[in-house]
Amino acid sequence: GDSVTQMEGPVTLSEEAFLTINCTYTATGYPSLFWYVQYPGEGLQLLLKATKADDKGSNKGFEATYRKETTSFHLEKGSVQVSDSAVYFCALTPIQGAQKLVFGQGTRLTINP
Amino acid sequence: GAGVSQSPSNKVTEKGKDVELRCDPISGHTALYWYRQSLGQGLEFLIYFQGNSAPDKSGLPSDRFSAERTGGSVSTLTIQRTQQEDSAVYLCASARGGSETQYFGPGTRLLVL
Repeated sequence: GDSVTQMEGPVTLSEEAFLTINCTYTATGYPSLFWYVQYPGEGLQLLLKATKADDKGSNKGFEATYRKETTSFHLEKGSVQVSDSAVYFCALTPIQGAQKLVFGQGTRLTINP
Repeated sequence: GAGVSQSPSNKVTEKGKDVELRCDPISGHTALYWYRQSLGQGLEFLIYFQGNSAPDKSGLPSDRFSAERTGGSVSTLTIQRTQQEDSAVYLCASARGGSETQYFGPGTRLLVL
């Protein structure tokens, strides 16, 4: 079945560092891809998405590009802030059937001032 | 506008008891999803509603789990004869018909003693 694999955390960086969180997927066809974020004490929020190959999703300085050749959707940010500390989930929705989200295991990110 | 709400926010119960978890989706959202977030299993899909019908129940882990949705709005997830392995955060999400973007509630944290 469809699945998502994320780099394991936790990840700890200093403020203004460059961030990459790797995400690869296994799926039939070309699913839609998402990054969700869960800030401390809050619910899951959509961060960005891409629905077809070579699309780039972006929001709040974060970017991810849908790469069909490498079945990847890596999350990047050029300069992280303390407020970016959260758990990040990569996810996909299969191309057929209910648009249920299939999540990766999540990556906890901590940014130190 | 109001987001997805869930109640209760926390529930502690004894093994063998039944529990009901409630989800109020965003008004006008026809799609509703239940997920479970646990330490061992990550984020897992449970069930999907389109209107009042549930075309995908494939994620329900056993026949002790059931869900219903009435009036195309509120949904209730019921767990009968709870077990300790049912302890998790139960998340509800809703989406407009045809949209891939799901909006999540804050979750219900269930602890089975």
